[in-house]
Amino acid sequence: DIQMTQSPSSLSASVGDRVTITCQASQDISNYLNWYQQKPGKAPKLLIYDASNLETGVPSRFSGSGSGTDFTFTISSLQPEDIATYYCQQYDNLPRVELFTFGPGTKVDIK
Amino acid sequence: EVQLVQSGAEVKKPGESLKISCKGSGYSFTSYWIGWVRQMPGKGLEWMGIIYPGDSDTRYSPSFQGQVTISADKSISTAYLQWSSLKASDTAMYYCARVVYCGGDCYSRWDYWGQGTLVTVSS
Repeated sequence: DIQMTQSPSSLSASVGDRVTITCQASQDISNYLNWYQQKPGKAPKLLIYDASNLETGVPSRFSGSGSGTDFTFTISSLQPEDIATYYCQQYDNLPRVELFTFGPGTKVDIK
Repeated sequence: EVQLVQSGAEVKKPGESLKISCKGSGYSFTSYWIGWVRQMPGKGLEWMGIIYPGDSDTRYSPSFQGQVTISADKSISTAYLQWSSLKASDTAMYYCARVVYCGGDCYSRWDYWGQGTLVTVSS
């Protein structure tokens, strides 16, 4: 099975700061990686798909990059409404039993 | 507008059965997979399984195979997650979401989500 790690597990930053979260896969997953935002008490929301594609309607301050095993999610200028936990999620195109793996999440709050 | 609307919160006793639902609208329900995710209190997201309502083809995570049953009724655009005998450890929030199919054995992003159904199992 493919394992996903995220770092940091939590962070605190000021409004306007650049925030970066990393996600690492235990093996090469090409660009098969998505990022989700989950605000407290709410359902997850897709932000970035296929490592770097911004979902329709998502603000451009969110971005993603990477391929292979190392991926980065960036908020270019942190806003108060970005308080949330962010999850990476890998998928695959091979006949595996574990079709998806979510990372453990990174909790972002305002300093 | 794509919407997934889940059934309301449930409080059950251990050993009881339960079926929760997820009704899709605003798109062709039979043309997209629907997935279920568990989120235990204060924890992360775990995928449980996916179903294709068009023909009820279903894939389960090994962690949930045999523990739950996923089904769908395409005539009413609704997917279901059910338990035959609940345990206290099934206490969690459960989300359904639309899953985009990318061909072959490829299932990619979960692009629209339901609001969640909180299941509490307590004696």
